[in-house]
Amino acid sequence: KAGVTQTPRYLIKTRGQQVTLSCSPISGHRSVSWYQQTPGQGLQFLFEYFSETQRNKGNFPGRFSGRQFSNSRSEMNVSTLELGDSALYLCASSPRGGGADTQYFGPGTRLTVL
Amino acid sequence: EDQVTQSPEALRLQEGESSSLNCSYTVSGLRGLFWYRQDPGKGPEFLFTLYSAGEEKEKERLKATLTKKESFLHITAPKPEDSATYLCAVQPGRDTASKLTFGTGTRLQVTL
Repeated sequence: KAGVTQTPRYLIKTRGQQVTLSCSPISGHRSVSWYQQTPGQGLQFLFEYFSETQRNKGNFPGRFSGRQFSNSRSEMNVSTLELGDSALYLCASSPRGGGADTQYFGPGTRLTVL
Repeated sequence: EDQVTQSPEALRLQEGESSSLNCSYTVSGLRGLFWYRQDPGKGPEFLFTLYSAGEEKEKERLKATLTKKESFLHITAPKPEDSATYLCAVQPGRDTASKLTFGTGTRLQVTL
């Protein structure tokens, strides 16, 4: 079974631009969660989608948004990029989400904001 | 607010030198505690899920245990390929959404 895939793997943007990251979950998984990983803050939860609905959201500004499609693929968007948005963005999928479902992570997208 | 604290921050072992990593947590009703391994530049790789105090799980040289306040990851006779950052995360039981709170990890280096 193929794992979680994320595209692109690397991105370089400048301040003020916007960016869209994509995540394809493991086949059959309906829950997709997004995390931001930085050296200073570690892994922080952004949001979770299940059946095309945002089910939970972390403490990030409204510049961070996401969506999920009917095939469970998910995208996240960051508008008006800031230098502090430079991070590894990780996507994780699980069968149903909640109930201590194991989350399986993708390789991440490394975003650099100049 | 859920909190996870991992110690030590970094650990250097010689091959064959066993040790333990600690994960202390406070969470509103633990639904699950997860251990992951992360290599540089890669996503976390799932190792174990523990659900209740007293539970233990093993995989090769790794053994995870859980109490009501902490979890330990025991590494027996480690090899250089066990070098990685080990992350601990908790999922609260107060809702059904998949929100994991992670610790900052323990960087393990195993030398020959």
